[in-house]
Parts: sequence; structure tokens; C-alpha cells
Amino acid sequence: AQSVTQLDSQVPVFEEAPVELRCNYSSSVSVYLFWYVQYPNQGLQLLLKYLSGSTLVESINGFEAEFNKSQTSFHLRKPSVHISDTAEYFCAVSGQNNFNKFYFGSGTKLNVKP
Amino acid sequence: DVKVTQSSRYLVKRTGEKVFLECVQDMDHENMFWYRQDPGLGLRLIYFSYDVKMKEKGDIPEGYSVSREKKERFSLILESASTNQTSMYLCASSLGGGLGQPQHFGDGTRLSIL
Repeated sequence: AQSVTQLDSQVPVFEEAPVELRCNYSSSVSVYLFWYVQYPNQGLQLLLKYLSGSTLVESINGFEAEFNKSQTSFHLRKPSVHISDTAEYFCAVSGQNNFNKFYFGSGTKLNVKP
Repeated sequence: DVKVTQSSRYLVKRTGEKVFLECVQDMDHENMFWYRQDPGLGLRLIYFSYDVKMKEKGDIPEGYSVSREKKERFSLILESASTNQTSMYLCASSLGGGLGQPQHFGDGTRLSIL
């Protein structure tokens, strides 16, 4: 079975400061990893994904995440956040299971303050 | 772009009613999913479908059923609504076959059971 842990339920940060949102997973098999973002009253949007290859993946809006197999982690980082990054972020894992089932973490609310 | 459309953004129903939530996707995706989202619990999978007329239980199927008569449409049914089913419901779809396909989400239906 797979599970995803996002230890921080809320992360307050000032604008232009760096941020890291933590994600750890448990799985005995190879996995695919995803970060989604949810703005208020909207569905989830794919932010970035790791399937294979380079362990560092980037999104178009400045976020990056690094897959660390030994630590079973996929932390999300941004060197300088904007007010518009205020949202809830979900980490998800999909293994080599049938039907492309995902397992989601409980989410981290990023609150960027001016 | 993939578009997943949920028929209602907000819905208010009474205890004991039979409730239908509809979801349509326009990208010919094989897989479709229904989740409920509650604060601090992340997304929990209710049911999913990998083909027309095919369905599988997720992690919390009790009190729910689903229907997939056409490939593009996946319906969630609350047989006899109860107050503990008040929640945000999210529909998602993904391609079948290859592993690591991202899921694409609708904007959600916020359901209140009175």
C-alpha cells in the first residue's frame, strides 16, 4: 500500500521569501510523483510531476521539486514567493498499480503575507 | 486542454434524498474518478471507472454508487443522503494504458445536506 505524508498543514511566509513544502511517501515499488495546487473554490491543477530521469523537476511559475529516493521525499520549493502563490498544495503518488490510482497527502495551505 | 465539467458548483439537498452529481470530460479519457475533499483529510477516493460500465470501489464507497453509461460521463449517486456526506466532491479523469498519467480535475461541487 502507498501513503503520502504532508507534515505541515499550514505554512505562513512573507512575500519574496523562500518556501519549502514537505512531502514524504511510503511505497515498496517505483512511483510517480505529482504536486497539485488548489486555489479557493477551484479544482486541483497539476503543478509538476516526476516520472523518471532527472530528479529535479520544474514548473512554469518558478516552483521546483526534487525526488529523493533514499529519503522517499518529493519536497516542493520556490526561492521567492508571490502573494498569488497563496493556495493549498497537494502531493500525490501513483505507483505501478492498475487504473492509475492516486494517493494524496492531506494538503499544505501556503499563506503568503505582504 | 482537457476539460472536466461538473454539473453544479453548489448544491443543497435534504437528508434522505437521492442525489446525483454529474461529471463530463471532453478528452476521451478511459479513467474517471470521484473524490471527496474534507479539511485536513485531503482527497479520498470514493469510486473510479476504467471503462464504460466498469467501476471499482475506492477507499470510502459506503453510501455511494456510480454509473458510467458513456465514456465521457461519470455520475456519482448518493442513494439516501445523510448530513455526514456534506463535503466538496471532485471529479477527475486520466488517460488509460500508460502509467504515470496525470489526473485532470473539475472545479468541484460543494454539497450541503440539511
